Amino acid sequence: ETGVTQTPRHLVMGMTNKKSLKCEQHLGHNAMYWYKQSAKKPLELMFVYNFKEQTENNSVPSRFSPECPNSSHLFLHLHTLQPEDSALYLCASSRGGRDTEAFFGQGTRLTVV
Amino acid sequence: AQKITQTQPGMFVQEKEAVTLDCTYDTSDPSYGLFWYKQPSSGEMIFLIYQGSYDQQNATEGRYSLNFQKARKSANLVISASQLGDSAMYFCAMPPYNTDKLIFGTGTRLQVFP
Repeated sequence: ETGVTQTPRHLVMGMTNKKSLKCEQHLGHNAMYWYKQSAKKPLELMFVYNFKEQTENNSVPSRFSPECPNSSHLFLHLHTLQPEDSALYLCASSRGGRDTEAFFGQGTRLTVV
Repeated sequence: AQKITQTQPGMFVQEKEAVTLDCTYDTSDPSYGLFWYKQPSSGEMIFLIYQGSYDQQNATEGRYSLNFQKARKSANLVISASQLGDSAMYFCAMPPYNTDKLIFGTGTRLQVFP
């Protein structure tokens, strides 16, 4: 059983829809991350939260809106997406610090039609 | 800026054999660390092993070991006694200076055959 749980695992949405991705970690970590993995591209960091505060936004378009209500939960709100936003969205958490590993969820496979 | 390079898009290895997956990096950070992750077809990124630049010995975790050559800026992953379940994508990653996020390489797809 993974310590980081993402829901849903698969999502198909139209360009005018609004949906949310959810991430929950049961590891007591203080840092949470959203990554995007597109076909044939390296993983791209989107957002970083430390102790519920956003500490990094990697020039992500505003149609992606993160929310971190507490250290255990992270959301990614989606609206008016484009087909090129179709990708695997991975959530991760860590204790923070450069020598600590991040634990990842299984990801949400998003398809925008 | 940090850069991670994985030059092998795909590798094949026979079951029970050892395989080396290459990773080179470029950084001006005096102290850094390197991570290796495995991503099976299910999508989850699984942490395998970590090596800090000041660690005196190469890291080992079960069948995984790091061939860390600081002067050559390489941190190759060695998997011994390959198993069919080792078939997956493998990513090398490191955090940029003064951050705890990770920058990933493009990955190597390993296929283990009987």
